[in-house]
Amino acid sequence: GAGVSQSPSNKVTEKGKDVELRCDPISGHTALYWYRQSLGQGLEFLIYFQGNSAPDKSGLPSDRFSAERTGGSVSTLTIQRTQQEDSAVYLCASSLRGRGQETQYFGPGTRLLVL
Amino acid sequence: RKEVEQDPGPFNVPEGATVAFNCTYSNSASQSFFWYRQDCRKEPKLLMSVYSSGNEDGRFTAQLNRASQYISLLIRDSKLSDSATYLCVVNSNQFYFGTGTSLTVIP
Repeated sequence: GAGVSQSPSNKVTEKGKDVELRCDPISGHTALYWYRQSLGQGLEFLIYFQGNSAPDKSGLPSDRFSAERTGGSVSTLTIQRTQQEDSAVYLCASSLRGRGQETQYFGPGTRLLVL
Repeated sequence: RKEVEQDPGPFNVPEGATVAFNCTYSNSASQSFFWYRQDCRKEPKLLMSVYSSGNEDGRFTAQLNRASQYISLLIRDSKLSDSATYLCVVNSNQFYFGTGTSLTVIP
């Protein structure tokens, strides 16, 4: 079956512009996660959606970052007024039910470069 | 202190060698533990979960030591295809990823 997909795969933008990153989770997965991975760094948790519950936004680094998940499926991560330090790979993952002893399946990521 | 700490390596080992990675975590209330593998410029993929009693999957053995708050991964009979970065992941109401340990298996 189809895995997690993300688009675009690569994005180059100018400092100060807004960007939108999209994630399509595996069908039927209720949990969705966004992470950021900078060069040579570990994955940094950004935000977590679980079903109809309020999202856990505790990892968002600033108020320039926001995310939505419409209809419990597709999610969009928006970065406003991008800065050079936002350059990273943004990874989305989904899992069947949520946090616990279960596997997260990752998408291929969006490589964002802010010039 | 970081939630999860790993030796970044790199580990360069010959084919057939046995190699072990350790990972320490800071939250004693952590609930579940995993090893993920990440190839260069690819997304992380689950290698194995880590159970309290320890578990084995072919050449890979994972162990958990709750008292000392560390998990380990042992790879026996290393293959060239094992070359990757190995990420330690700890779940304590949120998933925390280590920065990864780089392994290169040399012919």
